[in-house]
Amino acid sequence: DTGVSQDPRHKITKRGQNVTFRCDPISEHNRLYWYRQTLGQGPEFLTYFQNEAQLEKSRLLSDRFSAERPKGSFSTLEIQRTEQGDSAMYLCASSLPAGLAEVDIQYFGAGTRLSVL
Amino acid sequence: GESVGLHLPTLSVQEGDNSIINCAYSNSASDYFIWYKQESGKGPQFIIDIRSNMDKRQGQRVTVLLNKTVKHLSLQIAATQPGDSAVYFCAEKEGIQGAQKLVFGQGTRLTINP
Repeated sequence: DTGVSQDPRHKITKRGQNVTFRCDPISEHNRLYWYRQTLGQGPEFLTYFQNEAQLEKSRLLSDRFSAERPKGSFSTLEIQRTEQGDSAMYLCASSLPAGLAEVDIQYFGAGTRLSVL
Repeated sequence: GESVGLHLPTLSVQEGDNSIINCAYSNSASDYFIWYKQESGKGPQFIIDIRSNMDKRQGQRVTVLLNKTVKHLSLQIAATQPGDSAVYFCAEKEGIQGAQKLVFGQGTRLTINP
């Protein structure tokens, strides 16, 4: 499977614990995105990387959240001191710039579902 | 499988019929629009996109219509099949370059009845 890969698929944690999710983008895609999706809603943008540079961050990304993409390939999203409100599906997407006059298509992984008890 | 969207607008159609899913957007500066399909337990899957300089674009069994005057987007699926049952999201993006984030709508759950 050469699509976007996310690990783990499910994570159950207790409030106050730290969790880390991993995303492996499609090979050669240099843009990587994190979104959060709660039940009944569409995905909400969290942050975006081009290669290893984090270029955009949403106000949703509080100081308890940190995302990295150290070598411009896989990315990690860490949530510190988890709260019940952090329970959601965390989606990763990747894209390949299609040229100056084109918009690149974002391809999504299956997500990591986080449940904070 | 797990459910995505328990309180979404819903649309039920008979297998073989055509379906139309509507979406209203609010940002008049949005320049690019995409439809995604999300099946239970999966991430959103790209269906079709359209730039603001177009009002219609066709794919395989799908057509997207864009009305910028009333800021309305629709997805038409022809000859629906059971595999079309899913939640459909429209998403918008402001500008071709620059900010890359997609802003998603609430979604519509489409059910195809046999």
